[in-house]
Amino acid sequence: GNSVTQMEGPVTLSEEAFLTINCTYTATGYPSLFWYVQYPGEGLQLLLKATKADDKGSNKGFEATYRKETTSFHLEKGSVQVSDSAVYFCAHSMGDSGGGADGLTFGKGTHLIIQP
Amino acid sequence: DAMVIQNPRYQVTQFGKPVTLSCSQTLNHNVMYWYQQKSSQAPKLLFHYYDKDFNNEADTPDNFQSRRPNTSFCFLDIRSPGLGDAAMYLCATSRFVTGGTLGYTFGSGTRLTVV
Repeated sequence: GNSVTQMEGPVTLSEEAFLTINCTYTATGYPSLFWYVQYPGEGLQLLLKATKADDKGSNKGFEATYRKETTSFHLEKGSVQVSDSAVYFCAHSMGDSGGGADGLTFGKGTHLIIQP
Repeated sequence: DAMVIQNPRYQVTQFGKPVTLSCSQTLNHNVMYWYQQKSSQAPKLLFHYYDKDFNNEADTPDNFQSRRPNTSFCFLDIRSPGLGDAAMYLCATSRFVTGGTLGYTFGSGTRLTVV
């Protein structure tokens, strides 16, 4: 079945450190891949996305590359800030395989804590 | 700005008392979704509407119902809330076209407390 696996948190880093949050997925067909960010008490905000293999999504210094061969979509940032502290969710949809209206499948989320 | 709006932001209801959560959108998206997110967990899809067609996830309890009277509005009805239904409820929309789904957009959520 469809699933998303991401590294469990919390992940604690110092400001300006390099960030990687791993995400792998299982799916039939060719899903679109997403990273969402959630601040305390808030809803989900789209951080970045990629719709086909080798696409790179980027936003606010964050990047992730759609790797079909390893079924991965790891999130990276070169220099994190305290304001990046939040929960990050990896997700996929099934846009091109006829199930596009079926919603998103999420990973369990990674709580990122950035210390000054 | 086009957006997805959920009301209220916080809802307190009594155990067993029916409650309705609201979602509206100005994006003219043809798909609307309801997700349940319990504390420190991933959002879980309850059901969605593709236009007027209702699609229920297999493991969504019967206690949860939904209505979509028009393109812009979608409601989540919890017939008899239990303590285990306390959660953040997220509404989302998208536009499904031939070949894929575009523009997933989430509302800010309604946090439901059951007392």
